[in-house]
Amino acid sequence: EPEVTQTPSHQVTQMGQEVILRCVPISNHLYFYWYRQILGQKVEFLVSFYNNEISEKSEIFDDQFSVERPDGSNFTLKIRSTKLEDSAMYFCASSEAPLPGGLYFGAGTRLSVL
Amino acid sequence: EDQVTQSPEALRLQEGESSSLNCSYTVSGLRGLFWYRQDPGKGPEFLFTLYSAGEEKEKERLKATLTKKESFLHITAPKPEDSATYLCAVQAAGGGNKLTFGTGTQLKVEL
Repeated sequence: EPEVTQTPSHQVTQMGQEVILRCVPISNHLYFYWYRQILGQKVEFLVSFYNNEISEKSEIFDDQFSVERPDGSNFTLKIRSTKLEDSAMYFCASSEAPLPGGLYFGAGTRLSVL
Repeated sequence: EDQVTQSPEALRLQEGESSSLNCSYTVSGLRGLFWYRQDPGKGPEFLFTLYSAGEEKEKERLKATLTKKESFLHITAPKPEDSATYLCAVQAAGGGNKLTFGTGTQLKVEL
């Protein structure tokens, strides 16, 4: 069964460092998303991406965040200068069509900022 | 602001003991209500999308229903492998392609 793949599964970084989280969405999907979940809290929307541009972003997704689809298969989330409060589980998701079609999540990258 | 409230926060059942999880929502026009299952350390696993009041969907021991204010996830004769956190999320009309999630119900099914 096709799945969304995320790497690495766990990333540890020092505060102020840049991190790049990587995702390979399901191959025929056209809509891509990043969500995050701080430990013990709700899953929160960060950004949606379609046709090589951001289609929507939340207040969380400030200038420290950026997304890119560098080639035909990868989708990345970059955090330029990490803060302690960026520590969370980051989930990539993809969908074949715009919601409310099925949205499929990867297993996540746990980001720990020290 | 769109809001999703799930209850109970945690539920412990004996194997075979049926029950229901609740998701109440406040949204400015519902385009879709989603149910997900999340296992510890994993991403949410898609279960159902419901689009309009009165709609029902089933998958194995799970059945999701929708009214204008809430959704229920009914679990019939649960097994230990049904233990997980069940998440509810809504997509609002005019809310673009984002989902607003509830905090989830942590279900534990014991032998």
